[in-house]
Amino acid sequence: EDQVTQSPEALRLQEGESSSLNCSYTVSGLRGLFWYRQDPGKGPEFLFTLYSAGEEKEKERLKATLTKKESFLHITAPKPEDSATYLCAVASGGSYIPTFGRGTSLIVHP
Amino acid sequence: SQTIHQWPATLVQPVGSPLSLECTVEGTSNPNLYWYRQAAGRGLQLLFYSVGIGQISSEVPQNLSASRPQDRQFILSSKKLLLSDSGFYLCAWSSGQSERYTFGSGTRLTVV
Repeated sequence: EDQVTQSPEALRLQEGESSSLNCSYTVSGLRGLFWYRQDPGKGPEFLFTLYSAGEEKEKERLKATLTKKESFLHITAPKPEDSATYLCAVASGGSYIPTFGRGTSLIVHP
Repeated sequence: SQTIHQWPATLVQPVGSPLSLECTVEGTSNPNLYWYRQAAGRGLQLLFYSVGIGQISSEVPQNLSASRPQDRQFILSSKKLLLSDSGFYLCAWSSGQSERYTFGSGTRLTVV
């Protein structure tokens, strides 16, 4: 059974204070790891897909990286508008339905 | 471009009343469709998914059912709501296996 664990559950940062969110996973044959952003009261919004260890993707202040056991979402010089819950999900060869983590709630203070 | 519509945005229903939530996708054909429920602090729980018209798979036994009467329409229903059915319901679609999801804007259901 695929497992996804995100840490920390909640993170408070000052504006400009860079940090990383972690997504640890256990799967049988990774087919893809996904990062989503979810604003309060809205549906998750797709950010990145990573397929193999060593892959990196960037979008504005966000950078996602992947190893064989975990993924990091690095946030560089965050702004208050980066405040949201960030969800990680993995799809494996065992089931094409992705397994979601519980998310990390990020608050960036001005 | 592809879009997904989900309604209503909020709903307050009494216990024992029926439920019908609708989701439609535009700009694509034969999408995989999903219904999720999200409870506070508990992450996304997959309720149903469909890979084609009339094909519904249920992930957890519950008081809910789903139907796919048309290729791009997915409906979540209940005959009699329970208090425990309260939550944030999300519809999503993907173009195929292990592909990224596009989510709807969600329905906040409160059963009173």
